[in-house]
Amino acid sequence: QKEVEQDPGPLSVPEGAIVSLNCTYSNSAFQYFMWYRQYSRKGPELLMYTYSSGNKEDGRFTAQVDKSSKYISLFIRDSQPSDSATYLCAMSHSIQGAQKLVFGQGTRLTINP
Amino acid sequence: DAGITQSPRYKITETGRQVTLMCHQTWSHSYMFWYRQDLGHGLRLIYYSAAADITDKGEVPDGYVVSRSKTENFPLTLESATRSQTSVYFCASSEISIRGTDTQYFGPGTRLTVL
Repeated sequence: QKEVEQDPGPLSVPEGAIVSLNCTYSNSAFQYFMWYRQYSRKGPELLMYTYSSGNKEDGRFTAQVDKSSKYISLFIRDSQPSDSATYLCAMSHSIQGAQKLVFGQGTRLTINP
Repeated sequence: DAGITQSPRYKITETGRQVTLMCHQTWSHSYMFWYRQDLGHGLRLIYYSAAADITDKGEVPDGYVVSRSKTENFPLTLESATRSQTSVYFCASSEISIRGTDTQYFGPGTRLTVL
């Protein structure tokens, strides 16, 4: 069983829809939870960062962490064609001072105009 | 240019050959990382480095060698390339923060094909 599970999709929705992306994990030691966005043929870039449980909002994006259920979500409101990308969840705990990230498989998202 | 760069961007090689992928960052970040990205596996950590001359294995280190003689450079060498090492390779860097961890910034990737 993988430490982090993410539905690879692909997911296709119309412009303006609310998008929900999810990951589950098995390692209770994870403390930091991130969402990266990766455009085609590019490197991942950090989108949202959350420490421990709770919600975090940044514009149209909301990240949720439920440590009791080992479940994290990313919501995108009023989705735009420019949001079309692969979204990767990532989690970490510090080991000897290094932040070692464990990634989900990534969900490929397409927003249709 | 400021940031993190990788070279080459594309590489085709043959089984058994030695290949070196380069990574350079201009931020003087302490930590550098190498990942590979494959369908069905997402990004997996190969090696990481906490500082010059300090390196450690990640999840999938077999068949790879790293070195870090200078803070800004972190080359990844495939000593004898195999077809299973066909992948997209990403380098990343980060700095130490008060909370003990910080954002990792990724390079544009190197697409390696081993024939």
